[in-house]
Amino acid sequence: GQQVMQIPQYQHVQEGEDFTTYCNSSTTLSNIQWYKQRPGGHPVFLIQLVKSGEVKKQKRLTFQFGEAKKNSSLHITATQTTDVGTYFCAGPIPIAYKLSFGAGTTVTVRA
Amino acid sequence: NAGVTQTPKFQVLKTGQSMTLQCAQDMNHEYMSWYRQDPGMGLRLIHYSVGAGITDQGEVPNGYNVSRSTTEDFPLRLLSAAPSQTSVYFCASTNGPNYGYTFGSGTRLTVV
Repeated sequence: GQQVMQIPQYQHVQEGEDFTTYCNSSTTLSNIQWYKQRPGGHPVFLIQLVKSGEVKKQKRLTFQFGEAKKNSSLHITATQTTDVGTYFCAGPIPIAYKLSFGAGTTVTVRA
Repeated sequence: NAGVTQTPKFQVLKTGQSMTLQCAQDMNHEYMSWYRQDPGMGLRLIHYSVGAGITDQGEVPNGYNVSRSTTEDFPLRLLSAAPSQTSVYFCASTNGPNYGYTFGSGTRLTVV
């Protein structure tokens, strides 16, 4: 079964609002990766977090890795229509190269 | 630099037929994987390879075979297609554990 859990499964956001999606693992992760998949497209790598408590920013996207390295979050500020898609987190479980993906958070934006 | 190329983009099979999904990368990546994507289930790992001649099973390997005779190519074979194998299949490659995966554009397979 899925070893990386993501919530919420769906996120409906008013344009301009902020939202956060969460990723949780039952085991400690050596790193966590985030991907974005546009409707009808393929997953595209966004970022990798490695260190406990690490925070990285990409423009309006803020990624955080938990202190225990078991959870992560993606926060998007001032949501735009270009943010539409499904965001996946993924961790190497149980070993590197066996990347286990969460079920994803699908984001829709109301203009 | 084409990245990861998958063929075909679409395929319809009859139950019991066999076929090979092709995947090729031109980035000299050692590590390649096959995933299937089904609604509400994210991406599930089918098989992966850490180099030419080395493959291993992922989370859902039953009904699929792989081989890796060259660094560039990593074909996925469906031995006897079943309706449960209707899915979108993605091939992906990476340079190593400190890098993200590059995905191909996918193959949409329907088994009737």
